[in-house]
Amino acid sequence: SAVISQKPSRDICQRGTSLTIQCQVDSQVTMMFWYRQQPGQSLTLIATANQGSEATYESGFVIDKFPISRPNLTFSTLTVSNMSPEDSSIYLCSVALGYEKLFFGSGTQLSVL
Amino acid sequence: DAKTTQPPSMDCAEGRAANLPCNHSTISGNEYVYWYRQIHSQGPQYIIHGLKNNETNEMASLIITEDRKSSTLILPHATLRDTAVYYCITGGWFGNEKLTFGTGTRLTIIP
Repeated sequence: SAVISQKPSRDICQRGTSLTIQCQVDSQVTMMFWYRQQPGQSLTLIATANQGSEATYESGFVIDKFPISRPNLTFSTLTVSNMSPEDSSIYLCSVALGYEKLFFGSGTQLSVL
Repeated sequence: DAKTTQPPSMDCAEGRAANLPCNHSTISGNEYVYWYRQIHSQGPQYIIHGLKNNETNEMASLIITEDRKSSTLILPHATLRDTAVYYCITGGWFGNEKLTFGTGTRLTIIP
């Protein structure tokens, strides 16, 4: 299994500001994923982040709004830029181990006022 | 769009077996069936996965029909801590497939 730490666990932000979410894994992993879970909804994949290459974004998500860094095999960040109340969600980092299982962090609860 | 269909909610008495169905009629030959659950305010937790044979681990059993168009997750002795949203997902290995979460089944264990 993998232990995934996300910071911050929650934050309340003002409209127009940006928040960077950190994801730290206790082992080296090739593939990391960022998901969004809007209130009362299921999970939606934002992007796939592989070390040494640009992140791959899903339809409806763009790099200018959700820039991602992946400097090494144990760490990634997701920035939510120029936030609006519609960005209020839980943001989840996950990693794939052995090409079979996803392990998730506990998430970042973001509220935008 | 999600490729699986699950009932939106189910109840199960504590101590009884919880049987959660999932329809995945468009599954392709190389796609696995995965089950995850999400307890309130936590990240999803992997439960089990299978390709075509039935699988069992310390958490649950997975029964996949012979035509692979549906499956059932079985929690043999449900406890209150099993109250969660359960997601059935189909997909390949992560090099060429991404897991798409549907709306899941909200399972409530009744004391």
